[in-house]
Amino acid sequence: AQTVTQSQPEMSVQEAETVTLSCTYDTSESDYYLFWYKQPPSRQMILVIRQEAYKQQNATENRFSVNFQKAAKSFSLKISDSQLGDAAMYFCAYRSAWSGSEKLVFGKGTKLTVNP
Amino acid sequence: DTEVTQTPKHLVMGMTNKKSLKCEQHMGHRAMYWYKQKAKKPPELMFVYSYEKLSINESVPSRFSPECPNSSLLNLHLHALQPEDSALYLCASSQAVRGDYGYTFGSGTRLTVV
Repeated sequence: AQTVTQSQPEMSVQEAETVTLSCTYDTSESDYYLFWYKQPPSRQMILVIRQEAYKQQNATENRFSVNFQKAAKSFSLKISDSQLGDAAMYFCAYRSAWSGSEKLVFGKGTKLTVNP
Repeated sequence: DTEVTQTPKHLVMGMTNKKSLKCEQHMGHRAMYWYKQKAKKPPELMFVYSYEKLSINESVPSRFSPECPNSSLLNLHLHALQPEDSALYLCASSQAVRGDYGYTFGSGTRLTVV
């Protein structure tokens, strides 16, 4: 079974600074997808960024980028120019590419605080 | 329409009550999911429907009964729940084909069992 580990229960960053959230995963599959989701206090899970295992290039979405190291099974999220609105719980998630309706396997989450 | 709509947003029910949670999407997604989330924990998968058929049941107690009447609608029927079933119930949908599609989540139903 696949597992996802987020080793930082809580992180904090100053507004406008950069922060990196860590995620490692364990799988025997070669084809899969990785995601970062954000869950603010409003509780809706919002997709931040996605990465396909077969793509060498690291995904980027505006201020959010990932460092995907397939051999090391690592998938960290970098948030640049942090904003107050980035404060939330961040979940790293894994999904098999076997079919379209596979389950998302979540890590335990990292609570990010942004200080003004 | 790029949303998953869940109703009600809050629900308080007694242990002998019967209630239903509703989830609706109009994005043409053919995979729909129910997740349960306890405070400060990640979501835990309960059920997956693919093309209106139940494809995954994560050994959920029978007091939770899912239903997918059509491709846009997903229900979760609740009966004889326990206080420990109090949680945030999240619905999600996705494309049901291979691809790096993320899930689209609803904002959840906060359920309290008294």
